[in-house]
Amino acid sequence: QKEVEQDPGPLSVPEGAIVSLNCTYSNSAFQYFMWYRQYSRKGPELLMYTYSSGNKEDGRFTAQVDKSSKYISLFIRDSQPSDSATYLCASSPGGGGTSYGKLTFGQGTILTVHP
Amino acid sequence: GAGVSQSPSNKVTEKGKDVELRCDPISGHTALYWYRQRLGQGLEFLIYFQGNSAPDKSGLPSDRFSAERTGESVSTLTIQRTQQEDSAVYLCASSQTGGETQYFGPGTRLLVL
Repeated sequence: QKEVEQDPGPLSVPEGAIVSLNCTYSNSAFQYFMWYRQYSRKGPELLMYTYSSGNKEDGRFTAQVDKSSKYISLFIRDSQPSDSATYLCASSPGGGGTSYGKLTFGQGTILTVHP
Repeated sequence: GAGVSQSPSNKVTEKGKDVELRCDPISGHTALYWYRQRLGQGLEFLIYFQGNSAPDKSGLPSDRFSAERTGESVSTLTIQRTQQEDSAVYLCASSQTGGETQYFGPGTRLLVL
């Protein structure tokens, strides 16, 4: 079993829809949770970063972490064609030591927002 | 300022040849990471450099893979005796102090024929 599982999709939605992207993880030591966006033939770019459980909102994007169920979510409101990309969730234990900063990624979900 | 840069952008090689991939991190970033991304897959951790500490090599898939870093600057990832299963995008990232905000380069696309 992979430490971070993510449905690869693909997911296709109409412009303006609310998009829900999800991951589950198995490592209880994970404390930091991130969402990266990767456009075709580009490196991933950090979208959202959260520590432990809770919600974090940034514009049209909301990240949620539920540590009790080991579930990570990203919601995109009023989706736009420019949001079309691969979305990768990632986790790390943080807290110093050799694992600090070492990210474990999900497989990535391919999202297409059509006009 | 300049982001993470990687070279070459693309590399085609024959099975059995050695290849060297280069990463220039963001200036001042002490931590540097290499990841591998196979087609349709997430990123797979390879190796992590933090300042002058011994690197975390726990993700290197075989002894054909090695990496070096000069101080807190350039890093090279070397793959010896390449195999077809080494075909992937190799991504480099850097961060200020080994924190979770990692900034990625565009990657090197390696194709082993």
